[in-house]
Amino acid sequence: DIRMTQSPSTLSASVGDRVTITCRSSQNISKWLAWYQQKPGTAPKVLIYKASALESGVPSRFSGSGSGTEFTLTISSLQPDDFVDYFCQQYNRSPWTFGQGTKVEIK
Amino acid sequence: EVQLVESGGGLVKPGGSLRLSCAASGFTFSSLTLNWLRQAPGKGLEWLSSISTSGSYISYAASVKGRFTISRDNAQSSLFLQMNSLRAEDAAVYYCATVPVIPESWYFDLWGRGTLVTVSS
Repeated sequence: DIRMTQSPSTLSASVGDRVTITCRSSQNISKWLAWYQQKPGTAPKVLIYKASALESGVPSRFSGSGSGTEFTLTISSLQPDDFVDYFCQQYNRSPWTFGQGTKVEIK
Repeated sequence: EVQLVESGGGLVKPGGSLRLSCAASGFTFSSLTLNWLRQAPGKGLEWLSSISTSGSYISYAASVKGRFTISRDNAQSSLFLQMNSLRAEDAAVYYCATVPVIPESWYFDLWGRGTLVTVSS
């Protein structure tokens, strides 16, 4: 199975900060990567697919980049609603696997 | 409204069985591949199983293969997960989710709210 490793596990930041979350895969997954946001008690919501494509309706402060084995999710200016959990997921090869998550908390 | 609604979760003893359901509305159910995923409390996400539009193609994660069975009823716009031989480590919130119709797009774009499965004696 392809192992996905996110860093950091927890990120402390303030409203307005620019933050970056990294996701690394154990094998080359080309651009087959998605990013999700999950608020407490709710299902994940896709933000980015194919490494850098913004899902419809997602604010433009979210962006993704990378290919191969290293990927990043950037939030250009943190809003109060963004202090939640984020996951990456590879869909290059089944079984589809997720990173362990990054919690963005208020500093 | 486009939505998926899971049901059937609850408390079950180790070794027991449970059948989860997922009711879809607001879209053409028969045109989408459906999936089950789960998330143990405070943990990450795990894909469990997928079923193609007609039910002809089915795949499972190794952790549930041989114990869980996915099925669908397109006439009723419903997805199911039969879970047998449940273990403590199967305790989680179970989600149903769709993938886009775009080829090679195995990311999950519509999720239900989830149903909680607790495995305990």
